[in-house]
Amino acid sequence: AQTVTQSQPEMSVQEAETVTLSCTYDTSENNYYLFWYKQPPSRQMILVIRQEAYKQQNATENRFSVNFQKAAKSFSLKISDSQLGDTAMYFCAFMILTANRDDKIIFGKGTRLHILP
Amino acid sequence: EPEVTQTPSHQVTQMGQEVILRCVPISNHLYFYWYRQILGQKVEFLVSFYNNEISEKSEIFDDQFSVERPDGSNFTLKIRSTKLEDSAMYFCASTRPGWDNEQFFGPGTRLTVL
Repeated sequence: AQTVTQSQPEMSVQEAETVTLSCTYDTSENNYYLFWYKQPPSRQMILVIRQEAYKQQNATENRFSVNFQKAAKSFSLKISDSQLGDTAMYFCAFMILTANRDDKIIFGKGTRLHILP
Repeated sequence: EPEVTQTPSHQVTQMGQEVILRCVPISNHLYFYWYRQILGQKVEFLVSFYNNEISEKSEIFDDQFSVERPDGSNFTLKIRSTKLEDSAMYFCASTRPGWDNEQFFGPGTRLTVL
């Protein structure tokens, strides 16, 4: 079965601190993408960062970076210098790449992150 | 910047009624998706659609659900006879041709079944 596990239902950190959100996944496939999505109170789904499984280098997007450990099937998100606007639900997700390219995304249950002033 | 749009933002309906949720994908996208998120739970895949037919559907997508691309721009999700447990946020997404597979999500429609 293809699953995503986020072991931290809720986290709180002070503004400007660094926080790491954990994620593990399970798949027997070798070709896939991993994602972190942010869902603020508006409930819009916003792509934060993406990692191709074939790439060894960890993806970074400004204050957001990942620690991708393929053998361990681990994909954590680090938010540096956290800001109040980072308060949101964060979903870890992955997508198996197939030949027909209409690939569905499988989501974890999410981690609710609170940035405290 | 092009974006996926969805209407209505909130739909309230009585149990047993039919609802149609509408999505306008980004214009040059070819693959379309519906996802569902019951309040407080994870986002779940419902169905993917390509070339005017369903590519894949989940166990959730039973005979009460259907999708259609009636006019080349809209992409609709119909629920024939709504149940209380259909209350959820419904997200439409679309993907452009190419190799990055990024799915662009719409803002969602909140469906409340009474």
